Amino acid sequence: AQSVAQPEDQVNVAEGNPLTVKCTYSVSGNPYLFWYVQYPNRGLQFLLKYITGDNLVKGSYGFEAEFNKSQTSFHLKKPSALVSDSALYFCAVRARQGGKLIFGQGTELSVKP
Amino acid sequence: DGGITQSPKYLFRKEGQNVTLSCEQNLNHDAMYWYRQDPGQGLRLIYYSQIVNDFQKGDIAEGYSVSREKKESFPLTVTSAQKNPTAFYLCASSIPGQDVSEAFFGQGTRLTVV
Repeated sequence: AQSVAQPEDQVNVAEGNPLTVKCTYSVSGNPYLFWYVQYPNRGLQFLLKYITGDNLVKGSYGFEAEFNKSQTSFHLKKPSALVSDSALYFCAVRARQGGKLIFGQGTELSVKP
Repeated sequence: DGGITQSPKYLFRKEGQNVTLSCEQNLNHDAMYWYRQDPGQGLRLIYYSQIVNDFQKGDIAEGYSVSREKKESFPLTVTSAQKNPTAFYLCASSIPGQDVSEAFFGQGTRLTVV
């Protein structure tokens, strides 16, 4: 069965420090991987996706993610966090053979000044 | 501007009543989805539609119904059979047949049973 795990319910970071939000997946074959961000009482906004090629993917707002096939991970990163990055982050996966977009349970990122 | 519009933003329902959530898109996407969001549980798929006049149950379809009479519209009805309907509901769309395509989301409807 396909699944996505975000092992941390909450991540706390000081402004200016690097941040990492973790995601691991279980999908047969090579999946498509996505990151979304959600602000309170809003819909999800697309940040970035991994399709193929370079394992380091760059996306919106200075975010990037690293695909690691051996560890089945797709961690979201940013070199220098901003207070405005505070939000709920979702990792999602879709199998290449088609199928549903499956979401992790979300990680609350809190960036303090 | 192209996008997905959900209405209303907030909705209150009495127990035993059916209620319909609206979702309209002008992105010309064939595929549309309804998700339910509860704290700490991520997004769970209720129903999805790949094309007009066709839809499939997702993981938690019980107590919900949908229709897809027009490409632009995918309304969700929360029936009285749904035991715990209070949640945040999100509608999304994407290009079918293109697994690389990300989903585009509306701003959500928060449903509260009173």
